[in-house]
Amino acid sequence: DIQMTQSPSSLSASVGDRVTITCQASQDISKYLNWYQQKPGKAPKLLIYDASNLETGVPSRFSGSGSGTDFAFTISSLQPEDIATYYCQQYDNLPPTFGGGTKVEIK
Amino acid sequence: QVQLQESGPGLVKPSQTLSLTCTVSGGSIYSGSSYWSWIRQPAGKGLEWIGRIYTSGSINYNPSLRSRVTISVDTSKNQFSLKLSSVTAADTAVYYCAREACSASCYLRNWFDPWGQGTLVTVSS
Repeated sequence: DIQMTQSPSSLSASVGDRVTITCQASQDISKYLNWYQQKPGKAPKLLIYDASNLETGVPSRFSGSGSGTDFAFTISSLQPEDIATYYCQQYDNLPPTFGGGTKVEIK
Repeated sequence: QVQLQESGPGLVKPSQTLSLTCTVSGGSIYSGSSYWSWIRQPAGKGLEWIGRIYTSGSINYNPSLRSRVTISVDTSKNQFSLKLSSVTAADTAVYYCAREACSASCYLRNWFDPWGQGTLVTVSS
């Protein structure tokens, strides 16, 4: 299985801050990396697919980049409603696997 | 707009079989080139893919669970189902169903969208 390592596991930032989460794959996965947001008690919600494509309806302050083994997810200006846990997920090979998650809190 | 809803018992005894159904609404389970997946999440932990089914009947399972998992589809009811046998406390989790969306061949390189709301299954005597 392809291992996905996310960092940090948690972070605290102020409203308006730029926040970046990284995800590293244990092998080359090209661009086949997706990002999800999960709020407490809710199902994950797709934000970014194929590393950098913003899902329809998702605010433009969210973005993704990277290819190969190293990826980044950025919130350009953190908002109170962005408090959630964020997961990366690869689908270059079966089984699809997820990172351990990054919990984002407001300072 | 496709929506998914999980249903099934919330409590299962150890060594028994967990059975869940996902009902697809707002569209046909046949629509597009879609795989339909099951994913689970133990409380406070990360996400684990269990397996998926294509409406043609093609199935893939996570090797870590393959010996205990069965996924099936009932196209007449627009549903797909999960059975997990010989459950233990380690199988206690929120279970989600999800559609695999894609842009190309759709065997790989997909993403999960939308998801059902999830259903908590507790394994306890």
